[in-house]
Amino acid sequence: VQLVQSGAEVMKPGASVKVSCKASGYTFINYGISWVRQAPGQGLEWLGWINGFNGLTKYPQKFQGRVTITTDTSTSTAYMELRSLRSDDTAVYYCARVGAVVRGVIPHYFDYWGQGTLVTVSS
Amino acid sequence: QSALTQPASVSGSPGQSITISCTGTSSDVGDYNFVSWYQLHPGKAPKLIIFAVSNRPSGVSNRFSGSKSGNTASLTISGLLADDEAVYYCSSYAGTNLVFGGGTKVTVL
Repeated sequence: VQLVQSGAEVMKPGASVKVSCKASGYTFINYGISWVRQAPGQGLEWLGWINGFNGLTKYPQKFQGRVTITTDTSTSTAYMELRSLRSDDTAVYYCARVGAVVRGVIPHYFDYWGQGTLVTVSS
Repeated sequence: QSALTQPASVSGSPGQSITISCTGTSSDVGDYNFVSWYQLHPGKAPKLIIFAVSNRPSGVSNRFSGSKSGNTASLTISGLLADDEAVYYCSSYAGTNLVFGGGTKVTVL
C-alpha cells in the first residue's frame, strides 16, 4: 500500500489549496481516505474523510464549509481542498487510509499514511 | 490546544520500558474502546502502532502494547531501541469527531 501526495504549496491568505493523494497497492473503492494536518509545534488535527465506495463525506464541525474531500476512482486519487486560507492553516497535510469506521460515520484509525504535504500560507 | 493530553516528553535508556499516557474525558477515551497510537519519525509517513486500545497491526513489534483505564489510555514500549526515538500521538473516537493528543517526544538516552 502506498499513498503519494502532491508537492509543497505556498499560498496567499484568502486563497484555496488543493492537495492530491494517489493510492496504489489496494482496491481504492474498498477503503475510505481521511485527511489530517499538523501545524508547526502542534498536535494532529482531523479534517474529515470520504467513503471510497460511495463518495459520502464527513467533516468535523470546525472545518465544515471550508474543506472539501473528493475522489477520482478512475485514477485512485483523493483530493483535499481548503478554502479561505489563513496563516494558521500553515501545516503539513497528510492523507491516510481509513482502517475502520464506527457506525459507518467516523473513522477510528488509519492504517497507512502519505508522506505529507507542506502548505505554507503567507502574504 | 489538543483535545487529549499527553506528556510533552518521555525518555528511557536502551532496553528499558517506558509508558506514555493519553488523558481524555468521558466523552472520548472513557466512553469508547477506539483509541489508537501513531509513531512519527521526522520526514517519514506516520505509522499506526496500536488500534482499538490494545490491538497491534501485523508487522508491529510486540514490544508495543496499549491499555486503557477510565479516561486514560497508555502506550508502553518495552525493550527500548534507538529506532523508537520518535513522536507518538494518541487519538480517540469522540462520537461526532476524531480527536488527537498533542504528541509525546520519546528520547532514547
